[in-house]
Amino acid sequence: DTGVSQDPRHKITKRGQNVTFRCDPISEHNRLYWYRQTLGQGPEFLTYFQNEAQLEKSRLLSDRFSAERPKGSFSTLEIQRTEQGDSAMYLCASSHHDRGGNQPQHFGDGTRLSIL
Amino acid sequence: DAKTTQPNSMESNEEEPVHLPCNHSTISGTDYIHWYRQLPSQGPEYVIHGLTSNVNNRMASLAIAEDRKSSTLILHRATLRDAAVYYCILSSSGGSNYKLTFGKGTLLTVNP
Repeated sequence: DTGVSQDPRHKITKRGQNVTFRCDPISEHNRLYWYRQTLGQGPEFLTYFQNEAQLEKSRLLSDRFSAERPKGSFSTLEIQRTEQGDSAMYLCASSHHDRGGNQPQHFGDGTRLSIL
Repeated sequence: DAKTTQPNSMESNEEEPVHLPCNHSTISGTDYIHWYRQLPSQGPEYVIHGLTSNVNNRMASLAIAEDRKSSTLILHRATLRDAAVYYCILSSSGGSNYKLTFGKGTLLTVNP
């Protein structure tokens, strides 16, 4: 168990640029989640996948955001035309879901995005 | 989502027990009580979870009130490494158990 890995750890970019983050979940986990956390607040849910299917998207996820999990393994989160308000920590988590279960989520250490 | 209420902050001394309270008066029968903690510059870390009975693991103990409207996370001997924000979260075992709804949590300070 190598844990959830996120890359890069830090990203600084100019307003209007596109950015992409990667998440590698724990290998046997079938669910993958993205959250966003701003300073002083708890993480907020953005979206999640079960295997390769994206099953839920928060209204926080505007049209400029897109997430993929093409082969049910790693996932990417892309933000197009970044804005100042996108500055935050983007967290990825994974879990193993089975029917009736309530398994904990395991988080990576996040990608901190700063928009200049 | 059923909500939880936690104190904004608590303070403890090293090597003493810590009891972190959480109120969840609107909990439903299918809601599990989860605790996560977040150290500075890290992602949240799972601590413990339970449904009705008290639970113990290597990190902590979870004491759940008989009516399930409150719970307490117990750290038996606080260390400096336990200084973190602790989140109490309800997670349904039903169809909506795909997301965690974090509040602001309790900031635990551990004094040497």
